[in-house]
Amino acid sequence: AQSVSQHNHHVILSEAASLELGCNYSYGGTVNLFWYVQYPGQHLQLLLKYFSGDPLVKGIKGFEAEFIKSKFSFNLRKPSVQWSDTAEYFCAVNAPDSGGYQKVTFGTGTKLQVIP
Amino acid sequence: EAQVTQNPRYLITVTGKKLTVTCSQNMNHEYMSWYRQDPGLGLRQIYYSMNVEVTDKGDVPEGYKVSRKEKRNFPLILESPSPNQTSLYFCASSTRELAGRVGQETQYFGPGTRLLVL
Repeated sequence: AQSVSQHNHHVILSEAASLELGCNYSYGGTVNLFWYVQYPGQHLQLLLKYFSGDPLVKGIKGFEAEFIKSKFSFNLRKPSVQWSDTAEYFCAVNAPDSGGYQKVTFGTGTKLQVIP
Repeated sequence: EAQVTQNPRYLITVTGKKLTVTCSQNMNHEYMSWYRQDPGLGLRQIYYSMNVEVTDKGDVPEGYKVSRKEKRNFPLILESPSPNQTSLYFCASSTRELAGRVGQETQYFGPGTRLLVL
């Protein structure tokens, strides 16, 4: 079964610091990759997604992610975080399951706390 | 406005009292799914449905039932809730490619239902 690993469970940064959140997945074939953000008390919102083409994907609110196929990674980055980026971030992978049907698998999430 | 709605948003119940959480989408999506979100475990899929009358188990189906009688609705049923089902539940919908081809759909999530089982 496919799996998604987010190694940073809790990250604390000061405002203006740079951010990189790791995401690794296990499926060896074609995948779609996503980063979602969940602000406190709210539902998930899509930050960015990768389907094909340029491996460097730009999303909303200044976020970007780079797909490195050889490393099975899709790390999320932001050059300068703001207090309003305090949230939980989820990486997700869409790939065929054992039955050949698409399945979305989420990582366990990374809580980001930005200190003013 | 394209959206996924869930009701209720908050629910406190007691062990063993059957409950249903409704989910409805207005985008004519074939695919719908239920997830539960628990601290440190992320989102885990409970059940999914690829179309009307087609449902299948996700990663954590025990204690849950679903039905898909209409395309727009995908209710989650807890026949006999237990405290370990206390969680935050999300419904999601999307279009869906057929087997073997990875589609380019994006899932749309509902606002979540916070359930406490005493």
